[in-house]
Amino acid sequence: QVQLVQSGGGVVPPGRSLRLSCAASGFTFSLYGMHWVRQAPGKGLEWVAVIWYDGSYKFYADSVKGRFTISRDNSKNTLYLHMNSLRAEDTAVYFCARDREVQTISSFDPWGQGTLVTVAS
Amino acid sequence: DIQMTQSPSTLSASVGDRVSITCRASQTINIWLAWYQQKPGKAPKLLISKASSLESGVPSRFSGSGSGTEFTLTISSLQPDDFATYYCQQYSSYTPYTFGQGTKLEI
Repeated sequence: QVQLVQSGGGVVPPGRSLRLSCAASGFTFSLYGMHWVRQAPGKGLEWVAVIWYDGSYKFYADSVKGRFTISRDNSKNTLYLHMNSLRAEDTAVYFCARDREVQTISSFDPWGQGTLVTVAS
Repeated sequence: DIQMTQSPSTLSASVGDRVSITCRASQTINIWLAWYQQKPGKAPKLLISKASSLESGVPSRFSGSGSGTEFTLTISSLQPDDFATYYCQQYSSYTPYTFGQGTKLEI
């Protein structure tokens, strides 16, 4: 069964770093683009970053550019989000998500279960 | 950036009602639009891709229409399980992908 299982997250002081992971199973991970999407408490969905199926391209939202890095290890079927210089406004539930279609821009399906990142002293 | 505007922000309805949610793009996105359903504490669930293509397993009471800049999600006969928040998303331009602000469908 196609599944994305997230780990990482927690409470971190402003200015510190954190890494999120997203373990994929049930499909050929290396064929799909992958995303991070976040949702601040009580707010809507905000796309954060995308990485191409082979890692060749990465794009970021302006709000995280220069601070966050998306990466993947296709040998481990795992997606990562490295978050540096965290700010209070980065507090959110972070979801990983897969491109619905192989090797092309598409909608997102499935999604991970989400993990809460709280930036607070 | 392509801006996505949903209306209404909140929609009150009853079981059995037919309801529609509108999503407008700030520039043409052809048919590159998806609809998601999200329930509290859960991840979004993909309902419709390419503006009108219903995902496998999604009830046929859900339908999507539109192209260019104006799109609609319609639920033909509301069921208790449909009360949730709905988001549209464009994937015509991936820098950045953008979501609508959401429509909360409540009883």
